[in-house]
Amino acid sequence: DVKVTQSSRYLVKRTGEKVFLECVQDMDHENMFWYRQDPGLGLRLIYFSYDVKMKEKGDIPEGYSVSREKKERFSLILESASTNQTSMYLCASSLRLGQGKTGELFFGEGSRLTVL
Amino acid sequence: DQQVKQNSPSLSVQEGRISILNCDYTNSMFDYFLWYKKYPAEGPTFLISISSIKDKNEDGRFTVFLNKSAKHLSLHIVPSQPGDSAVYFCAAIRSGTYKYIFGTGTRLKVLA
Repeated sequence: DVKVTQSSRYLVKRTGEKVFLECVQDMDHENMFWYRQDPGLGLRLIYFSYDVKMKEKGDIPEGYSVSREKKERFSLILESASTNQTSMYLCASSLRLGQGKTGELFFGEGSRLTVL
Repeated sequence: DQQVKQNSPSLSVQEGRISILNCDYTNSMFDYFLWYKKYPAEGPTFLISISSIKDKNEDGRFTVFLNKSAKHLSLHIVPSQPGDSAVYFCAAIRSGTYKYIFGTGTRLKVLA
């Protein structure tokens, strides 16, 4: 059974704290993603990684950084958390298929972050 | 610019009836479309997808219809069950790229 695991389901942090959100997938997928979900805004892409040590900015990368040191692990870092980063964070992975092919995204359970 | 739109934020349907969730897109380069279901405090789970070379794809109670000329897709759930109550997201992507574009979601409530 395919699995994307996010390390923390619920976190509460203070403004200015550094926050690490960890994600591990066991499907040997090349692509990994971090999204945030907010009411009325859907899922917005923060960062994407298509290979170890490779990353690309998504639509809302400001205030975030990522790390991919191993194929199965993709970390999201909030260097200095702010209240507007209170959100549901979703990690996902997918296969890198051949040219012109696309597969589905597999999501983790999500991490609900509250910044006070 | 919202490239994928779900104009109905919520929908209520009686158990056993048909649920129809709609999604519109603006980018004609999208050629692969997906529907995800999300329960509160859980990650989205994949439901069904369709390639632009088809106009219909069916999987059990779930059918997705694609109208390329109207840039419109819909998800039909028949018969609807209370366990189908969730938020449904449609997503679109151009094959070979990584950028899945999601709609804002429709909250479906199936009434027993």
